[in-house]
Amino acid sequence: NAGVTQTPKFQVLKTGQSMTLQCAQDMNHEYMSWYRQDPGMGLRLIHYSVGAGITDQGEVPNGYNVSRSTTEDFPLRLLSAAPSQTSVYFCASSYSLPLNTEAFFGQGTRLTVV
Amino acid sequence: KQEVTQIPAALSVPEGENLVLNCSFTDSAIYNLQWFRQDPGKGLTSLLLIQSSQREQTSGRLNASLDKSSGRSTLYIAASQPGDSATYLCAVPRNYGGSQGNLIFGKGTKLSVKP
Repeated sequence: NAGVTQTPKFQVLKTGQSMTLQCAQDMNHEYMSWYRQDPGMGLRLIHYSVGAGITDQGEVPNGYNVSRSTTEDFPLRLLSAAPSQTSVYFCASSYSLPLNTEAFFGQGTRLTVV
Repeated sequence: KQEVTQIPAALSVPEGENLVLNCSFTDSAIYNLQWFRQDPGKGLTSLLLIQSSQREQTSGRLNASLDKSSGRSTLYIAASQPGDSATYLCAVPRNYGGSQGNLIFGKGTKLSVKP
């Protein structure tokens, strides 16, 4: 059982480039989300999805786009990378909204924008 | 607005000690509280999920307690080992407004267990 899988693990982008961070889970979880982790700021929610076809914005959505065409996959797109998006990105999933269920996290994608 | 605080930010102990990590939250109307472990350069590993109706949860050498009325949770680690060295994070689901259900994290306690 792979759990939550994120690719790539590391990425270096130039300012203005676009890219997609991949996230897949094999636990048939309805709820998926993306967080970024920055020193001194902790983990902050970017976007989330409560099921296929349904997405919503989190705390820091600007510069990011998401879609959820299947239950398994929840990719995060950077439209035009900026140095402020240098961060570690984590994807998480849970059976439903994490009001009563355990959340599971991927291993992270470390992104550097130069 | 719910805020989650973890004090101290860093803790260093000798191997074999029993230790307590603290997590406090400002809004006591929580559904649950989850403790995570994060190793350097790695993802978050769920350790314990304690529901609002529970007072404590145990897994091996770990015991998490929850006191909603005082807005506190503690993670007790028995007989600490160097392999326990990591950052420990606590999180509660947001229970109001937009992004309801999403996790609000503390900034973590970095634990170092010296051999």
